[in-house]
Amino acid sequence: GIQVEQSPPDLILQEGANSTLRCNFSDSVNNLQWFHQNPWGQLINLFYIPSGTKQNGRLSATTVATERYSLLYISSSQTTDSGVYFCAVERSGNTGKLIFGQGTTLQVKP
Amino acid sequence: NAGVTQTPKFQVLKTGQSMTLQCAQDMNHEYMSWYRQDPGMGLRLIHYSVGAGITDQGEVPNGYNVSRSTTEDFPLRLLSAAPSQTSVYFCASREFGTNRGGQFFGPGTRLTVL
Repeated sequence: GIQVEQSPPDLILQEGANSTLRCNFSDSVNNLQWFHQNPWGQLINLFYIPSGTKQNGRLSATTVATERYSLLYISSSQTTDSGVYFCAVERSGNTGKLIFGQGTTLQVKP
Repeated sequence: NAGVTQTPKFQVLKTGQSMTLQCAQDMNHEYMSWYRQDPGMGLRLIHYSVGAGITDQGEVPNGYNVSRSTTEDFPLRLLSAAPSQTSVYFCASREFGTNRGGQFFGPGTRLTVL
């Protein structure tokens, strides 16, 4: 099956710093999503981005489908950005089955 | 829209007991699914449905049953709970088909089996 690898596994930042999270996947996909799981366990949709670049405030994401990777950029980090960031992909032709990476745990210190 | 709702939020069971986790969505999404999340791990697919009357197994289906009688509801049944089923369960929905947008997740049900 398709493999999803996220890096780094853990990240500690000072408030105000920028960061880049990476997601590599092993097969072609027709769906890629980034989620933020907050300390209360809630999964929050950040981006639906099978290809191209999107921005939402301080967050932006880029997926290069031909090279099988996606990047999540967090600028001017805040303590509320803390939590786990998951990348999940859906293999082409396999509608609906999301395969999750192991996540990147981010801690932003004040 | 309420989006995807799940009940209960928390549940404690004894080994061998049965229960049903409820999931409902009001977005008229054809596709619904159940995932479990174990500590320190990403989510894994249990069962999914592409429409009323149609269900299929995901990555970890053993010990769970599902049915889909309406577009809105997709309950997950544990017939005989085991400690290995202690986990957080998430329900999700989306429009069916490729490139139809992402999946939306409910708030989760935290289940402990003693």
